[in-house]
Amino acid sequence: SYVLTQPPSVSVAPGKTARITCGGNNIGSKSVHWYQQKPGQAPVLVIYYDSDRPSGIPERFSGSNSGNTATLTISRVEAGDEADYYCQVWDSSSDPHVVFGGGTKLTVL
Amino acid sequence: EVQLVESGGGLVQPGRSLRLSCTASGFTFGDYAMSWVRQAPGKGLEWVGFIRSKAYGGTTEYAASVKGRFTISRDDSKSIAYLQMNSLKTEDTAVYYCTRTIAAAGIFNFDYWGQGTLVTVSS
Repeated sequence: SYVLTQPPSVSVAPGKTARITCGGNNIGSKSVHWYQQKPGQAPVLVIYYDSDRPSGIPERFSGSNSGNTATLTISRVEAGDEADYYCQVWDSSSDPHVVFGGGTKLTVL
Repeated sequence: EVQLVESGGGLVQPGRSLRLSCTASGFTFGDYAMSWVRQAPGKGLEWVGFIRSKAYGGTTEYAASVKGRFTISRDDSKSIAYLQMNSLKTEDTAVYYCTRTIAAAGIFNFDYWGQGTLVTVSS
């Protein structure tokens, strides 16, 4: 099965830039989607198709994907960005077809 | 406004069955695939399965961990998706989320999520 690898935790000071990586074999050939989950809440889609933002998601959130790594970048980090972040892809040759990364806890210092 | 409301969760003994419902509003339900994603306590997200829209055959696919035990169905006239869970195991304990699903040409993501319903499998 296809595996997505995320760092368990990332810490960043307010106002700085956070980068959360998602590693996978030739992930650059797939579409990567990112979800934000705050404690006690349902996940929210924050980036789709590698780098597009749904309406209502701040421009501070951006994404990129190339080679074996996809990256979620959060600029000018705010306290309210503290959450778990998950990457996700579809791989029709894998079982399961839908794969999530293990999640990254973003801590705002 | 898109809304997804899950119901039917609760405490159930191992080996028993439970059916979850997901009532949708704010969009044309029949035009979309629908998925179920679960999250065990303190753990990450796990895809359970999905059902395509009738336009794409209304077919289903499941994760190996639930295949043969869980069944997803839909009633487009009522805008409801269902998750029938049989032969439940303790490891099925999780919050179950219903999601609206964008599924097309290798692109697959969950653009709206319900608030989740907790299923606890324990004797």
